[in-house]
Amino acid sequence: SQELEQSPQSLIVQEGKNLTINCTSSKTLYGLYWYKQKYGEGLIFLMMLQKGGEEKSHEKITAKLDEKKQQSSLHITASQPSHAGIYLCGADMRGAGSYQLTFGKGTKLSVIP
Amino acid sequence: EAGVTQFPSHSVIEKGQTVTLRCDPISGHDNLYWYRRVMGKEIKFLLHFVKESKQDESGMPNNRFLAERTGGTYSTLKVQPAELEDSGVYFCASSRNTYGYTFGSGTRLTVV
Repeated sequence: SQELEQSPQSLIVQEGKNLTINCTSSKTLYGLYWYKQKYGEGLIFLMMLQKGGEEKSHEKITAKLDEKKQQSSLHITASQPSHAGIYLCGADMRGAGSYQLTFGKGTKLSVIP
Repeated sequence: EAGVTQFPSHSVIEKGQTVTLRCDPISGHDNLYWYRRVMGKEIKFLLHFVKESKQDESGMPNNRFLAERTGGTYSTLKVQPAELEDSGVYFCASSRNTYGYTFGSGTRLTVV
């Protein structure tokens, strides 16, 4: 079974609509990263969350980490075609300063103009 | 600052051949990582260098894979001999500390 479950696997939304992507684990997430990937490009860092209950926003994207540090959500408000791509969550699941990240399979987002 | 550079961007080789992937990290980043994504699976950790030393190579699949980081600058990942199941995208990342990962664009390896 996967250590980090992402849902949904894919998402098609109309431009201007809001959407949420989830990342869930049965284990503690000591550091949770959100990345975006476009075809042929590297993983673009979006946000990193560490503390339970933490919430960060950048432009129209908000990421949250729940109090138990086992679930994170990424919310996009008023989606635009530029938001299309694959969103990946990655986490430090070992703690103690581990550098190794575990990733979810990703969520493919398409935004229809 | 320049980002993490990987080359080649694509490589197609025959089963049994050797391929070497290269990664140039961001200048000043002591930590360098290799990850890979095979078809339909999640991105998985391969190994971690601190300068020229292998800190953690627990994710290396088998002894056909050899990673080096001479002088603590660029790194190479050699696959010899390549097998079909080695096909995928190989990502390199670097960081100055634990929480500052920057990924490269990846090398798409196809073994036929």
